Amino acid sequence: KAGVTQTPRYLIKTRGQQVTLSCSPISGHRSVSWYQQTPGQGLQFLFEYFSETQRNKGNFPGRFSGRQFSNSRSEMNVSTLELGDSALYLCASSPLLAGGRETQYFGPGTRLLVL
Amino acid sequence: GESVGLHLPTLSVQEGDNSIINCAYSNSASDYFIWYKQESGKGPQFIIDIRSNMDKRQGQRVTVLLNKTVKHLSLQIAATQPGDSAVYFCAEFRVDTGFQKLVFGTGTRLLVSP
Repeated sequence: KAGVTQTPRYLIKTRGQQVTLSCSPISGHRSVSWYQQTPGQGLQFLFEYFSETQRNKGNFPGRFSGRQFSNSRSEMNVSTLELGDSALYLCASSPLLAGGRETQYFGPGTRLLVL
Repeated sequence: GESVGLHLPTLSVQEGDNSIINCAYSNSASDYFIWYKQESGKGPQFIIDIRSNMDKRQGQRVTVLLNKTVKHLSLQIAATQPGDSAVYFCAEFRVDTGFQKLVFGTGTRLLVSP
């Protein structure tokens, strides 16, 4: 079974631009979560989607948004990019068979550099 | 940012030694914990998990111990190999203001010398 895939793997943007990142979960997985990883803050939870609905969210500004499609694929968008948005953005999926407390499987991430 | 705490940022061991990576958590209501391994340029990889109704769980060369009394868990790697060199994260499944999420520790870098 193929793992979580993320595109693109690398991205360079300038301040003020917006960016869209894509995530395809493991086949059959219905939950997709997004995380931001930086050297200073570590792994921080952004949000989680299940059945096309945002179920959970972390403490990030409204510039960070996402959505999930009927095939469970997910995208996240960051508008009005700031230098501090430079990070590795990770997507993780889980089957959600056990009411939420399940292993999340991560993709390789998209490394975003904001200049 | 919020995080599950770690005692040591870097652990250096010799090949063949046993490694122990520690993690402290703060939320006594947390009932599910996961250890991940992250190699350079890759996403975190699941190693082993444990639920709060257990004190110990074993996998292939790895053991996780959970001490709920002192809110501490550890990852033991037997016969450490150079391929085990990576950053290891513990993650705590936390329910906060109605939201559920995995909260990650800051990570411990394991360096294995041949």
